[in-house]
Amino acid sequence: QKEVEQDPGPLSVPEGAIVSLNCTYSNSAFQYFMWYRQYSRKGPELLMYTYSSGNKEDGRFTAQVDKSSKYISLFIRDSQPSDSATYLCAMGLTGGGNKLTFGTGTQLKVEL
Amino acid sequence: GAGVSQSPSNKVTEKGKDVELRCDPISGHTALYWYRQRLGQGLEFLIYFQGNSAPDKSGLPSDRFSAERTGESVSTLTIQRTQQEDSAVYLCASSLDSVRVGAFFGQGTRLTVV
Repeated sequence: QKEVEQDPGPLSVPEGAIVSLNCTYSNSAFQYFMWYRQYSRKGPELLMYTYSSGNKEDGRFTAQVDKSSKYISLFIRDSQPSDSATYLCAMGLTGGGNKLTFGTGTQLKVEL
Repeated sequence: GAGVSQSPSNKVTEKGKDVELRCDPISGHTALYWYRQRLGQGLEFLIYFQGNSAPDKSGLPSDRFSAERTGESVSTLTIQRTQQEDSAVYLCASSLDSVRVGAFFGQGTRLTVV
Protein backbone atom coordinates (compact mmCIF):
# COMPACT_ATOMS: atom_id res chain seq x y z
CA GLN A 1 0.00 0.00 0.00
CA LYS A 2 1.32 3.43 -0.94
CA GLU A 3 1.72 5.97 1.83
CA VAL A 4 -0.38 8.46 -0.14
CA GLU A 5 -3.22 7.45 -2.43
CA GLN A 6 -4.71 9.73 -5.05
CA ASP A 7 -7.18 8.93 -7.82
CA PRO A 8 -5.37 9.58 -11.11
CA GLY A 9 -8.51 10.60 -12.98
CA PRO A 10 -8.88 12.00 -15.53
CA LEU A 11 -11.63 14.17 -14.07
CA SER A 12 -13.62 16.20 -16.58
CA VAL A 13 -15.97 18.98 -15.43
CA PRO A 14 -17.82 21.86 -17.11
CA GLU A 15 -16.63 25.41 -16.64
CA GLY A 16 -18.01 26.93 -13.44
CA ALA A 17 -18.32 23.62 -11.61
CA ILE A 18 -17.02 22.99 -8.11
CA VAL A 19 -14.17 20.50 -8.23
CA SER A 20 -13.23 18.20 -5.37
CA LEU A 21 -9.80 16.55 -5.39
CA ASN A 22 -8.83 14.13 -2.66
CA CYS A 23 -5.98 12.17 -1.13
CA THR A 24 -5.85 9.58 1.61
CA TYR A 25 -2.76 8.65 3.55
CA SER A 26 -1.70 5.87 5.86
CA ASN A 27 0.99 7.50 8.02
CA SER A 28 -0.68 9.28 10.92
CA ALA A 29 2.59 11.07 11.65
CA PHE A 30 2.21 13.36 8.63
CA GLN A 31 1.78 16.84 10.02
CA TYR A 32 1.75 19.24 7.11
CA PHE A 33 -0.02 19.07 3.82
CA MET A 34 0.28 20.77 0.48
CA TRP A 35 -1.34 20.93 -2.91
CA TYR A 36 0.62 21.48 -6.09
CA ARG A 37 -0.62 22.18 -9.60
CA GLN A 38 1.38 20.89 -12.55
CA TYR A 39 0.75 21.96 -16.11
CA SER A 40 1.94 19.71 -18.90
CA ARG A 41 5.72 19.74 -19.26
CA LYS A 42 6.15 22.18 -16.37
CA GLY A 43 7.36 21.81 -12.80
CA PRO A 44 4.84 21.58 -9.95
CA GLU A 45 3.60 24.91 -8.60
CA LEU A 46 2.71 25.28 -4.93
CA LEU A 47 -0.96 26.18 -4.46
CA MET A 48 -1.60 25.81 -0.76
CA TYR A 49 -0.11 24.44 2.42
CA THR A 50 -1.59 23.77 5.82
CA TYR A 51 -0.54 22.21 9.11
CA SER A 52 -3.74 21.53 10.94
CA SER A 53 -7.09 19.91 10.55
CA GLY A 54 -9.80 22.18 9.21
CA ASN A 55 -10.19 24.44 6.22
CA LYS A 56 -7.90 26.99 4.64
CA GLU A 57 -9.19 29.26 1.90
CA ASP A 58 -7.31 31.20 -0.74
CA GLY A 59 -9.40 32.78 -3.47
CA ARG A 60 -11.21 30.05 -5.37
CA PHE A 61 -9.24 27.31 -3.61
CA THR A 62 -10.04 25.66 -0.28
CA ALA A 63 -7.81 23.05 1.32
CA GLN A 64 -9.37 20.75 3.87
CA VAL A 65 -7.56 18.38 6.22
CA ASP A 66 -9.15 15.69 8.36
CA LYS A 67 -6.35 14.09 10.36
CA SER A 68 -8.69 11.72 12.18
CA SER A 69 -9.71 10.18 8.85
CA LYS A 70 -6.30 10.69 7.22
CA TYR A 71 -7.99 12.46 4.34
CA ILE A 72 -7.27 15.74 2.60
CA SER A 73 -9.18 17.61 -0.08
CA LEU A 74 -8.77 20.53 -2.41
CA PHE A 75 -11.89 22.32 -3.61
CA ILE A 76 -11.88 24.61 -6.61
CA ARG A 77 -14.86 26.93 -6.99
CA ASP A 78 -16.00 28.43 -10.28
CA SER A 79 -13.55 26.25 -12.18
CA GLN A 80 -11.97 27.69 -15.32
CA PRO A 81 -10.36 26.06 -18.37
CA SER A 82 -7.06 27.47 -17.10
CA ASP A 83 -7.44 25.19 -14.07
CA SER A 84 -6.92 22.20 -16.36
CA ALA A 85 -3.77 20.56 -15.01
CA THR A 86 -2.59 17.72 -12.81
CA TYR A 87 -3.06 18.31 -9.08
CA LEU A 88 -0.62 16.68 -6.69
CA CYS A 89 -1.07 16.36 -2.96
CA ALA A 90 2.05 16.24 -0.80
CA MET A 91 2.68 15.77 2.87
CA GLY A 92 5.55 15.69 5.30
CA LEU A 93 6.74 14.90 8.78
CA THR A 94 8.16 17.36 11.24
CA GLY A 95 11.63 16.08 11.93
CA GLY A 96 11.32 13.73 8.98
CA GLY A 97 14.17 15.27 7.08
CA ASN A 98 11.87 17.73 5.37
CA LYS A 99 11.11 15.17 2.70
CA LEU A 100 7.74 15.47 1.00
CA THR A 101 5.75 12.40 0.02
CA PHE A 102 3.60 12.97 -3.04
CA GLY A 103 0.46 11.43 -4.42
CA THR A 104 0.51 10.35 -8.06
CA GLY A 105 -1.65 13.31 -9.09
CA THR A 106 -5.18 13.76 -10.43
CA GLN A 107 -5.56 15.01 -13.98
CA LEU A 108 -8.29 17.65 -14.22
CA LYS A 109 -9.88 18.98 -17.39
CA VAL A 110 -12.29 21.90 -17.25
CA GLU A 111 -14.32 22.11 -20.44
CA LEU A 112 -15.98 25.15 -21.99
CA GLY B 1 17.01 34.62 -10.55
CA ALA B 2 13.44 34.70 -9.30
CA GLY B 3 12.83 30.97 -9.42
CA VAL B 4 14.56 27.62 -9.39
CA SER B 5 16.52 27.16 -12.59
CA GLN B 6 17.46 23.78 -14.06
CA SER B 7 19.66 22.92 -16.99
CA PRO B 8 19.58 21.43 -19.48
CA SER B 9 15.81 21.42 -20.03
CA ASN B 10 16.13 18.34 -22.24
CA LYS B 11 18.84 15.75 -22.50
CA VAL B 12 19.06 12.75 -24.80
CA THR B 13 21.89 10.37 -24.05
CA GLU B 14 23.04 6.95 -25.10
CA LYS B 15 22.77 4.04 -22.72
CA GLY B 16 25.93 3.69 -20.71
CA LYS B 17 26.93 7.37 -20.83
CA ASP B 18 27.18 9.60 -17.77
CA VAL B 19 24.97 12.68 -17.43
CA GLU B 20 25.11 15.71 -15.15
CA LEU B 21 22.05 17.77 -14.32
CA ARG B 22 22.27 21.20 -12.76
CA CYS B 23 20.02 23.10 -10.36
CA ASP B 24 20.23 26.76 -9.27
CA PRO B 25 17.98 27.22 -6.24
CA ILE B 26 16.21 30.39 -5.20
CA SER B 27 18.69 32.72 -3.51
CA GLY B 28 18.55 32.37 0.26
CA HIS B 29 16.88 28.97 0.24
CA THR B 30 18.85 26.65 2.47
CA ALA B 31 17.04 23.45 1.55
CA LEU B 32 17.33 21.77 -1.85
CA TYR B 33 15.65 18.60 -3.10
CA TRP B 34 15.88 16.37 -6.13
CA TYR B 35 12.85 14.36 -7.24
CA ARG B 36 12.26 12.07 -10.20
CA GLN B 37 8.98 11.89 -12.10
CA ARG B 38 8.44 8.97 -14.44
CA LEU B 39 5.72 9.14 -17.03
CA GLY B 40 2.33 8.70 -15.40
CA GLN B 41 3.80 8.37 -11.93
CA GLY B 42 4.14 10.54 -8.86
CA LEU B 43 7.21 12.35 -7.70
CA GLU B 44 9.88 10.08 -6.26
CA PHE B 45 12.21 11.58 -3.66
CA LEU B 46 15.91 11.22 -4.46
CA ILE B 47 18.02 13.40 -2.17
CA TYR B 48 17.74 16.37 0.19
CA PHE B 49 20.34 18.98 1.20
CA GLN B 50 19.94 21.33 4.16
CA GLY B 51 22.68 23.89 4.67
CA ASN B 52 25.92 22.27 5.71
CA SER B 53 24.28 19.17 7.20
CA ALA B 54 24.91 15.72 5.77
CA PRO B 55 22.48 15.16 2.88
CA ASP B 56 19.60 12.70 3.12
CA LYS B 57 20.42 10.26 0.32
CA SER B 58 17.80 7.71 1.25
CA GLY B 59 15.92 8.03 -2.05
CA LEU B 60 18.80 7.45 -4.45
CA PRO B 61 17.84 4.30 -6.39
CA SER B 62 21.35 2.95 -6.94
CA ASP B 63 25.02 3.82 -6.54
CA ARG B 64 24.99 5.11 -10.12
CA PHE B 65 23.22 8.19 -8.76
CA SER B 66 25.04 10.89 -6.82
CA ALA B 67 24.51 14.55 -6.05
CA GLU B 68 26.55 17.40 -4.72
CA ARG B 69 25.82 20.83 -3.40
CA THR B 70 28.33 23.47 -2.37
CA GLY B 71 27.02 25.45 0.57
CA GLU B 72 23.63 26.95 -0.25
CA SER B 73 24.22 27.29 -3.97
CA VAL B 74 24.15 25.18 -7.09
CA SER B 75 23.57 21.45 -6.99
CA THR B 76 24.45 18.82 -9.56
CA LEU B 77 22.85 15.40 -9.93
CA THR B 78 25.06 12.87 -11.71
CA ILE B 79 23.86 9.61 -13.20
CA GLN B 80 26.62 7.24 -14.25
CA ARG B 81 26.27 4.49 -16.84
CA THR B 82 22.73 5.54 -17.69
CA GLN B 83 20.07 2.89 -18.29
CA GLN B 84 16.80 3.18 -20.17
CA GLU B 85 14.86 3.01 -16.91
CA ASP B 86 16.56 6.27 -15.89
CA SER B 87 14.46 8.09 -18.50
CA ALA B 88 12.30 10.54 -16.55
CA VAL B 89 11.89 14.19 -15.64
CA TYR B 90 14.32 15.17 -12.89
CA LEU B 91 12.92 17.98 -10.76
CA CYS B 92 14.81 20.18 -8.37
CA ALA B 93 13.13 22.20 -5.63
CA SER B 94 14.26 24.57 -2.93
CA SER B 95 12.69 25.94 0.22
CA LEU B 96 13.37 28.40 3.01
CA ASP B 97 14.76 26.33 5.86
CA SER B 98 11.76 24.10 6.34
CA VAL B 99 9.60 22.50 3.69
CA ARG B 100 6.60 23.16 5.93
CA VAL B 101 6.04 26.36 4.02
CA GLY B 102 6.33 24.64 0.68
CA ALA B 103 9.04 23.81 -1.79
CA PHE B 104 9.40 25.64 -5.09
CA PHE B 105 10.16 23.55 -8.13
CA GLY B 106 12.14 24.20 -11.26
CA GLN B 107 10.88 23.23 -14.70
CA GLY B 108 12.77 19.98 -14.66
CA THR B 109 15.24 18.24 -16.93
CA ARG B 110 13.65 15.69 -19.26
CA LEU B 111 16.16 12.88 -19.62
CA THR B 112 15.80 10.33 -22.38
CA VAL B 113 18.18 7.37 -22.51
CA VAL B 114 18.26 5.68 -25.90
